[in-house]
Amino acid sequence: QITLKESGPALVKPTQTLTLTCTFSGFSLSTNGVGVGWIRQPPGKALEWLALIYWDDDRRYSPSLKSRLTITKDTSKNQVVLTMTNMDPVDTATYYCAQRGMRMATFFDSWGQGALVTVSS
Amino acid sequence: DIQMTQSPSSVSASVGDRVTITCRASQDISRWLAWYQQKPGKAPKVLIYAASSLQSGVPSRFSGRGSGTEFTLTISSLQPEDFATYYCQQANSFPVTFGPGTKVDIK
Repeated sequence: QITLKESGPALVKPTQTLTLTCTFSGFSLSTNGVGVGWIRQPPGKALEWLALIYWDDDRRYSPSLKSRLTITKDTSKNQVVLTMTNMDPVDTATYYCAQRGMRMATFFDSWGQGALVTVSS
Repeated sequence: DIQMTQSPSSVSASVGDRVTITCRASQDISRWLAWYQQKPGKAPKVLIYAASSLQSGVPSRFSGRGSGTEFTLTISSLQPEDFATYYCQQANSFPVTFGPGTKVDIK
């Protein structure tokens, strides 16, 4: 059974850096083709993809947020960490991590429950 | 970036109805499209990948068709648990992009 769970602060102040951790089980991020991505969803709005890290440490970022994002993995701990700098109230959203399965394209097979992050002073 | 659009933005339907949602891509994405279902307060769940492949465990009343720039998700006989918001997502190229969603609610 594959599970993912996001953890991090529920509240951050404007200009601060957000660090979110995705802890997963049921798969290995050293398996060929596997990846973990981050997707966010502002309240009442659509899904927005942020970043993805592959088993081989290749990383992809949303161009509109690339300058603010860093994604890393710790395979031994089964964790993926996303940092987002210079947080703004418009970044208030539920942040999801999700597993990219071993298919030819990036479809998100399993998702975490999400972590609501509010940006406010 | 590839832009995804969905129509309708919302649909009211009754249990037992056949519902079809359309997703269009701003350029050819071959068959690299997925459909997700999201219920309020819950994470999205993949229903269909590669345009028409049913994810394991998803009921067969869900089906997907299409290629290139136009895709459809059909629910053949709407069940009470299907009332949700549905998103398409293209996986042809980065950045991955999602459609704006289609809300299916009770008539």
